[in-house]
Amino acid sequence: DADVTQTPRNRITKTGKRIMLECSQTKGHDRMYWYRQDPGLGLQLIYYSFDVKDINKGEISDGYSVSRQAQAKFSLSLESAIPNQTALYFCATSDLGRYTFGSGTRLTVV
Amino acid sequence: RKEVEQDPGPFNVPEGATVAFNCTYSNSASQSFFWYRQDCRKEPKLLMSVYSSGNEDGRFTAQLNRASQYISLLIRDSKLSDSATYLCVVNIRGNKLVFGAGTILRVKS
Repeated sequence: DADVTQTPRNRITKTGKRIMLECSQTKGHDRMYWYRQDPGLGLQLIYYSFDVKDINKGEISDGYSVSRQAQAKFSLSLESAIPNQTALYFCATSDLGRYTFGSGTRLTVV
Repeated sequence: RKEVEQDPGPFNVPEGATVAFNCTYSNSASQSFFWYRQDCRKEPKLLMSVYSSGNEDGRFTAQLNRASQYISLLIRDSKLSDSATYLCVVNIRGNKLVFGAGTILRVKS
């Protein structure tokens, strides 16, 4: 099993729909992150969490929300999806600055 | 100005060539530095950390120049399998990783 598992791998949704991306990890790390990647741009931080009770906004949190259900689980929601949220989304955990990423979720909003 | 800047490339090199990438960062408070590798449509994976004294891992050598605020990655004897995007990553104050947009390397036979 992968250390960081993201579901779904691919998703097409309509504008205005609510969608949740899920992430779980088996590495036992406290720190978890959600990033999005657009072509030609670096990964941009959406939200991060340093433990179950700690949630922080990243650079581009508008239009997104998160939930840290347990140490191992960190989900990202798009409350009302819009086309410019079409991107590749990565969940990650870290320990001592070294990140482990999930395989990504390719989201298309039409 | 972006916090981390990289030449996007692509760098097209023949097998066996030596190739070097540079990356500059703007925040002098940056504490740690990494190179990640990302294959097409895949997740980034840690290639190597970058230490102040420079460090080597097989064919890969990383250097840090704090005075000029840049890091570099040197790949010797390039292989076809080295073809990927190389991401320069800077950790600022322990809480925030900032990613460069990446440099594309294509190694051709």
